[in-house]
Amino acid sequence: EVQLLESGGGLVQPGGSLRLSCAASGFTFSTYAMSWVRQAPGKGLEWVSSISGSGSTTYYADSVKGRFTISRDNSKNTLSLQVNSLRAEDTAVYYCARLSFGSYFNPFDPWGQGTLVTVSS
Amino acid sequence: EIVMTQSPATLSVSPGERATLSCRASQSVSSNLAWYQQKPGQAPRLLIYGASTRATGIPARFSGSGSGTEFTLTISSLQSEDFAVYYCQQYNDWPPSTFGQGTRLEIK
Repeated sequence: EVQLLESGGGLVQPGGSLRLSCAASGFTFSTYAMSWVRQAPGKGLEWVSSISGSGSTTYYADSVKGRFTISRDNSKNTLSLQVNSLRAEDTAVYYCARLSFGSYFNPFDPWGQGTLVTVSS
Repeated sequence: EIVMTQSPATLSVSPGERATLSCRASQSVSSNLAWYQQKPGQAPRLLIYGASTRATGIPARFSGSGSGTEFTLTISSLQSEDFAVYYCQQYNDWPPSTFGQGTRLEIK
């Protein structure tokens, strides 16, 4: 069974940092591009970042570019998102999601259960 | 950036009836359109991809249609477990991949 399990969320002050992780299992991790998608409380879905299977290419939403860094460790089947210079508007549930058929031009499937990041003083 | 617009924002339908949800893209996305279902406190679940292909394990009462800029998700004979929020997403042109704002399907 394909599973994605996020961790690392929490309460952080504006300007602070966190490192989110996603542990993947049940599939050959290195052959799939992966993404982070977030959802602010009571709001819709916003794509945040994606990374290729090898880790050689990455993409970011303009709203997080320069502050967030996506990475992966294929030896540990782990996806990460380093989030720096956090703002109140970054408060959201952050989901880890697999690109369903491996490459970028595909839907997200499956999704993890999400980890909540709250930015507040 | 392609803007996805869903309508209506909220749809009230009785169990057993049909629900029709719409999604419009600001420019053509070919058939690279997905639909997701999200229930309270849960992650989104892929229902439809390629505009009309059901994902694994999705019941046949869910169907998708359309191409280019106009898309429809139809749920025939609504079951109690179908009341949720539904999002469309284009993956034809990215970054960024973009979602609609969602349609809340509620019990009438």
